[in-house]
Amino acid sequence: DADVTQTPRNRITKTGKRIMLECSQTKGHDRMYWYRQDPGLGLRLIYYSFDVKDINKGEISDGYSVSRQAQAKFSLSLESAIPNQTALYFCASALGAGDLSTDTQYFGPGTRLTVL
Amino acid sequence: QQPVQSPQAVILREGEDAVINCSSSKALYSVHWYRQKHGEAPVFLMILLKGGEQKGHDKISASFNEKKQQSSLYLTASQLSYSGTYFCGTENGGSNYKLTFGKGTLLTVNP
Repeated sequence: DADVTQTPRNRITKTGKRIMLECSQTKGHDRMYWYRQDPGLGLRLIYYSFDVKDINKGEISDGYSVSRQAQAKFSLSLESAIPNQTALYFCASALGAGDLSTDTQYFGPGTRLTVL
Repeated sequence: QQPVQSPQAVILREGEDAVINCSSSKALYSVHWYRQKHGEAPVFLMILLKGGEQKGHDKISASFNEKKQQSSLYLTASQLSYSGTYFCGTENGGSNYKLTFGKGTLLTVNP
C-alpha cells in the first residue's frame, strides 16, 4: 500500500465551486506539505504544516486554505475555484526529526484538478 | 527565489553522460534531488549538505559547491530508465525548514 495517498486522483469542477483535496500518510510523519505543479514551472509550495497546531503559508497560498485534522491528514481547500487553479497538486510528508535539512519528503501520487 | 536549473532539457543516447546544474542566488544549506517520471510523483534521489561529501548511488552522483552556491547532478552511462524530469530543491538554512524547487530539467534517453 502507498504511504502517502491523495483523493481524488482526478477532479473536474466549475468556476466558483468549493473543492477539497485530501491527503493521508501512514508513515507517522510530523511534517506535511501541499505543492502545485504547472508545466514548466516546477513544484511551488502552497502550505506546509510542522505539526497539527503549526500551519504555515507557502509562496502561493492566495485562494487556498488548509486543515490539519490529525497527524496523518492534511486537506487543501479551494474556497471558490477559478480556471487558473487548474494544475496537478501534490501532497508530501517528511519525518520532521533530527537534522531537518536531511528530512526527505515523500510525495503522494497527485491530484489532477481542472477548473472550467 | 527559485533555484535555476540548467539545461532545461537534454537528449541522450543510452550510455552517454549528462550533467544537470542547480544554482541559487542565496546561500545554500542543503540541496535535494528528485526525479519525476511522466504522470507520476517525484521520487527522492539524494541530499547534499553544506560541507558534505559528494554523494552517489548506482551511476548517479551529485556534488555541492558552496562557493558557487551550486549543486550538480551527474548521470553516467545513462540508461533508458533515467528518462524523466529532474528537480532540485534548495534549503537556505534557518528554523523554517522548507524546500524551494527549480523548474526542472527534462532528460530523455533514447536507445
